[in-house]
Amino acid sequence: AQKVTQAQTEISVVEKEDVTLDCVYETRDTTYYLFWYKQPPSGELVFLIRRNSFDEQNEISGRYSWNFQKSTSSFNFTITASQVVDSAVYFCALSGEAAGNKLTFGGGTRVLVKP
Amino acid sequence: SQTIHQWPATLVQPVGSPLSLECTVEGTSNPNLYWYRQAAGRGLQLLFYSVGIGQISSEVPQNLSASRPQDRQFILSSKKLLLSDSGFYLCAWSRGTGDEQYFGPGTRLTVT
Repeated sequence: AQKVTQAQTEISVVEKEDVTLDCVYETRDTTYYLFWYKQPPSGELVFLIRRNSFDEQNEISGRYSWNFQKSTSSFNFTITASQVVDSAVYFCALSGEAAGNKLTFGGGTRVLVKP
Repeated sequence: SQTIHQWPATLVQPVGSPLSLECTVEGTSNPNLYWYRQAAGRGLQLLFYSVGIGQISSEVPQNLSASRPQDRQFILSSKKLLLSDSGFYLCAWSRGTGDEQYFGPGTRLTVT
């Protein structure tokens, strides 16, 4: 079975602060994929990134960066210099053969950025 | 480019009434299609997925059913709604199994 844990249920920061969202996963697969999604107040889930288990390079996209550490089964997400528009619920997800390649979502972390 | 549509955006239905939510995808062919439910603003639960016309896999036995009458159309139905069916329903598509999924705008269903 596969599992995704986002231990932080809510994080509150002041604008321009950095915020790091933790994601820890469990899987028996050797090949798997990790994802991050953003859900703004409008409700639609927005795809942010997909990472395969063989690519441990960290990635940066603008103010977003991701740290994939296979040794600790973690795929953390950092927003640098946060803005009010970053306020949303962020979901980490995992896909692997053991679960029929379906997405398993974490419980989500609500980020509130105050002006 | 690909787009995914869902309707209606909001729906208020009495207990015991039928339900039909529709999802269509444009700009791609033979997508994988998914229905999720999100209760209380958290935790997405996969309800159904389909890898082709007429092929439906159910994840959770419940009061709902799904159909895929056309390649890019996915319908979620119920014959008699329960209070517990209230929630935010999201449709998604992907190119293949294991690929990233792209979500529609969702339907907020309230059963009264």
